Amino acid sequence: EAGVAQSPRYKIIEKRQSVAFWCNPISGHATLYWYQQILGQGPKLLIQFQNNGVVDDSQLPKDRFSAERLKGVDSTLKIQPAKLEDSAVYLCASSFTSHHEQYFGPGTRLTVT
Amino acid sequence: QKEVEQNSGPLSVPEGAIASLNCTYSDRGSQSFFWYRQYSGKSPELIMSIYSNGDKEDGRFTAQLNKASQYVSLLIRDSQPSDSATYLCAVNIEGNNRLAFGKGNQVVVIP
Repeated sequence: EAGVAQSPRYKIIEKRQSVAFWCNPISGHATLYWYQQILGQGPKLLIQFQNNGVVDDSQLPKDRFSAERLKGVDSTLKIQPAKLEDSAVYLCASSFTSHHEQYFGPGTRLTVT
Repeated sequence: QKEVEQNSGPLSVPEGAIASLNCTYSDRGSQSFFWYRQYSGKSPELIMSIYSNGDKEDGRFTAQLNKASQYVSLLIRDSQPSDSATYLCAVNIEGNNRLAFGKGNQVVVIP
């Protein structure tokens, strides 16, 4: 069974530029999550989708971050404009339902200069 | 109070010894608890899930849950150098069905 796929793996941008990340969950998983992990900390949930609907985006900085999962499968997370403090690893995870174990993709390491 | 706390500093254990990691949580309604292992530069990997009070064993790993004390622990028996990683405790927050993570505990197994 293929795992969670993410791209790109690495991205370096200058502040005020925009960036987008892509995620394809494990086949059949209805719930998709985007996390931000800053070095030395645990992952912090940014947004949770159930199929193509948003379940929780309370910790998403909506003035600069947006995410969508239009067809209930893959998802994109966008940052516009980026700030220095957005430098982190962005992790996508999926689960069969919101009550099941979450499995993570390899992550995208973002560096904002 | 943080939702999930892992307060211990880096843990160094000799090869073959038992590594013990602790985690406390604040939401009394939480029902699902997980331990993830994260190697440096890699993403978290699920190694244990536990839902009921008591112990759950899987190979060299044992998870222990005490809901009354709001306490979860992970024991790694016969520690190997390959166990050197950061271990993240995660708790499902029932109110909004969200997974909250601790900051992690680094384990270093010394050959």
